Amino acid sequence: RKEVEQDPGPFNVPEGATVAFNCTYSNSASQSFFWYRQDCRKEPKLLMSVYSSGNEDGRFTAQLNRASQYISLLIRDSKLSDSATYLCVVNVGGTSYGKLTFGQGTILTVHP
Amino acid sequence: GAGVSQSPSNKVTEKGKDVELRCDPISGHTALYWYRQSLGQGLEFLIYFQGNSAPDKSGLPSDRFSAERTGGSVSTLTIQRTQQEDSAVYLCASSLWTSLATQYFGPGTRLLVL
Repeated sequence: RKEVEQDPGPFNVPEGATVAFNCTYSNSASQSFFWYRQDCRKEPKLLMSVYSSGNEDGRFTAQLNRASQYISLLIRDSKLSDSATYLCVVNVGGTSYGKLTFGQGTILTVHP
Repeated sequence: GAGVSQSPSNKVTEKGKDVELRCDPISGHTALYWYRQSLGQGLEFLIYFQGNSAPDKSGLPSDRFSAERTGGSVSTLTIQRTQQEDSAVYLCASSLWTSLATQYFGPGTRLLVL
């Protein structure tokens, strides 16, 4: 089983749609969680951290369920500029602190 | 301010040759990381430096790979006797000292081994 698993997609949605991505992680000791965004042939950039209580940043909402070892990202009112690969990222912490484990990424295409 | 920089941006080499990839982290960031992203694959952790501590080399795929960090700043990733399967984008990231701090990535070096 992969340490971090995501549905690779691709997701093709029209502008204005709401889309949700899911991610599961295998190590129950994982301490911090992130969503990164990666545009084609570019480096990953932090989209948002994911907190236990859930958090929102504009059109983006992230949720964490530690019991189920599950992370989600919801994008409302999709824009063309949201087209990218979304990476679910986990930091186990402890003796492995600093080592980020990435999911394979979910490809999103927003069309007019 | 300046972000993480990497050089060269692209490198084409012949199988069997050695290559050196360079990373300049964000000023003030004590932690530095190397990752690799192969075509169609996710990012793979290679090595992690934190201050003066011994680096975490657990992700290096073989003894042909090594990295050093001089003066707590610039880092060099060296691949000896390159193989075609080493072709990938090599990404460097840096963060503040806290282990769970956000990592900021450089633009990467695209390595192609012929």
